[in-house]
Amino acid sequence: KAGVTQTPRYLIKTRGQQVTLSCSPISGHRSVSWYQQTPGQGLQFLFEYFSETQRNKGNFPGRFSGRQFSNSRSEMNVSTLELGDSALYLCASSPGRGFYGYTFGSGTRLTVV
Amino acid sequence: GESVGLHLPTLSVQEGDNSIINCAYSNSASDYFIWYKQESGKGPQFIIDIRSNMDKRQGQRVTVLLNKTVKHLSLQIAATQPGDSAVYFCAENPLSGAGSYQLTFGKGTKLSVIP
Repeated sequence: KAGVTQTPRYLIKTRGQQVTLSCSPISGHRSVSWYQQTPGQGLQFLFEYFSETQRNKGNFPGRFSGRQFSNSRSEMNVSTLELGDSALYLCASSPGRGFYGYTFGSGTRLTVV
Repeated sequence: GESVGLHLPTLSVQEGDNSIINCAYSNSASDYFIWYKQESGKGPQFIIDIRSNMDKRQGQRVTVLLNKTVKHLSLQIAATQPGDSAVYFCAENPLSGAGSYQLTFGKGTKLSVIP
């Protein structure tokens, strides 16, 4: 069965632009979470979506947003990009909300120049 | 604030030996813990998890131990192989009891296996 698919794998954007990243969870998984990974801050929680509703949001500015569609696919958007937004953005899916081991995708490497 | 931390940033182990990777957590409310392995260029890969009502859980070549008294988590890898070389993260869910499912990750331990 296919894993978590994230597109694109790599992205280069200019400061001030916006970007949209996509995540397709494992078939049947209904919960999608997003994480940011940087060398300095490590892995940090961005948001969690379940049944098309944002259930939790991490400590990130409002420039970071996301959504989930009825087929559980999710997108996250970052507006007015800053150099510090350069990171690996990881999506993780799980069957539902609870004590599940989340399955991560390979991530989207975003570079802001 | 409370966070998950790791004792050692790097660990070198001879092939065939057992590896022990440690993790300290400070949030006593955490009731779910996961170990992940991340290889270069890949996302974290689930290894094993444990709930706070357990002290030990075993998988294939891996064992996780949870000591709630001292808030300590460890991952033991038996007969370490070159393919085990990676960065290992522990993660906790500090709010699952409140219906919030988000993971707080430690900074990671890089395991290098010497052939």
